[in-house]
Amino acid sequence: NAGVTQTPKFRVLKTGQSMTLLCAQDMNHEYMYWYRQDPGMGLRLIHYSVGEGTTAKGEVPDGYNVSRLKKQNFLLGLESAAPSQTSVYFCASTTLREALGAKNIQYFGAGTRLSVL
Amino acid sequence: DAKTTQPPSMDCAEGRAANLPCNHSTISGNEYVYWYRQIHSQGPQYIIHGLKNNETNEMASLIITEDRKSSTLILPHATLRDTAVYYCIVRPNQAGTALIFGKGTTLSVSS
Repeated sequence: NAGVTQTPKFRVLKTGQSMTLLCAQDMNHEYMYWYRQDPGMGLRLIHYSVGEGTTAKGEVPDGYNVSRLKKQNFLLGLESAAPSQTSVYFCASTTLREALGAKNIQYFGAGTRLSVL
Repeated sequence: DAKTTQPPSMDCAEGRAANLPCNHSTISGNEYVYWYRQIHSQGPQYIIHGLKNNETNEMASLIITEDRKSSTLILPHATLRDTAVYYCIVRPNQAGTALIFGKGTTLSVSS
């Protein structure tokens, strides 16, 4: 059981380039989230999804787009990368049952470290 | 804005109990207190959560004050592997609500 898998683990981009970060979970979770973490800071929510085909904006959505075409995958896209998007990106997921109950445990991937030069 | 206040750092000797405080004076009646930790910039890991009663699991204990305005996470016998950033988070029992992370407390466990 792999849990939440993020690819790639590391990436260096030039300003203006585009890329897609992939998050895959094998736990049949309905809810998925993308966070970013800057040095010395906590995680901030970029976008999230409550089910296949649905997405919503989080706290810092500008410059990012997301898609949830399959239940197990949540893609985060950068159309035109900027140095301000240099960060560590974390994906997380949780079940509908846990989301509705008190035990709202989010399961996180290992992160993608992105540098934009 | 984070709804919790935590000390930026704490030290603990290996084998001793680590007591990590958290203030959440504006907590609402339907909000739970959650604790996560992050080791070496890995993805955060769930530790424990509670509403108003004290809770214990295999990782830690959570003590919530009667007025619910503060709580303490207790690692009963800290090990070097417990060195991490610990996040105290309050959130409503509401489907799909994301976690709001503050800066947390960096716990350093030394031998």
